[in-house]
Amino acid sequence: SQQGEEDPQALSIQEGENATMNCSYKTSINNLQWYRQNSGRGLVHLILIRSNEREKHSGRLRVTLDTSKKSSSLLITASRAADTASYFCATGFSGGYNKLIFGAGTRLAVHP
Amino acid sequence: DTEVTQTPKHLVMGMTNKKSLKCEQHMGHRAMYWYKQKAKKPPELMFVYSYEKLSINESVPSRFSPECPNSSLLNLHLHALQPEDSALYLCASSQDLSPYNEQFFGPGTRLTVL
Repeated sequence: SQQGEEDPQALSIQEGENATMNCSYKTSINNLQWYRQNSGRGLVHLILIRSNEREKHSGRLRVTLDTSKKSSSLLITASRAADTASYFCATGFSGGYNKLIFGAGTRLAVHP
Repeated sequence: DTEVTQTPKHLVMGMTNKKSLKCEQHMGHRAMYWYKQKAKKPPELMFVYSYEKLSINESVPSRFSPECPNSSLLNLHLHALQPEDSALYLCASSQDLSPYNEQFFGPGTRLTVL
């Protein structure tokens, strides 16, 4: 069953602008991860934030996690055309297994 | 080598065919995964192997049969599939089953069942 819901479903911006994607989930988690997928290919891991962390940065990426609201956001700053892809949040369950449940994803289009 | 490879890239098969998908990694990872992804949908977990043993089967129909012959290889045997099984099949690996390990994904096999 799908755990995460993402919003918006699609986002279209110009190069240089910031892109924000949101993810909500339903159950207790160990961690929340963000992945990128280019047009029907494999997924690339972007960042992992643990349930006891509130914010994490990696290059132009900033992820926040609010466990009280069961939500996370991914911010991509100074976007580039190469950032055009689908972005998925994935929640890792409490319980020990590395079992990821993916959200519906946000399709990001960055126009030159 | 931080790559997960999958063969073939594309596969077209009839409903009576038997075929296999192959996945390989040489990162020394001990957990490997099969996911199914339909168009414009997120990946859905099918199977998890840990130390070459099946750990999780997400109630996948028996026409999909996974196999882990060694720590580097993961196969998915397909038999008597239905057209609705057409999808992108993704393989992934991680260091082990710790929930804090990132998963490394292969490029996928795009399967079409006629």
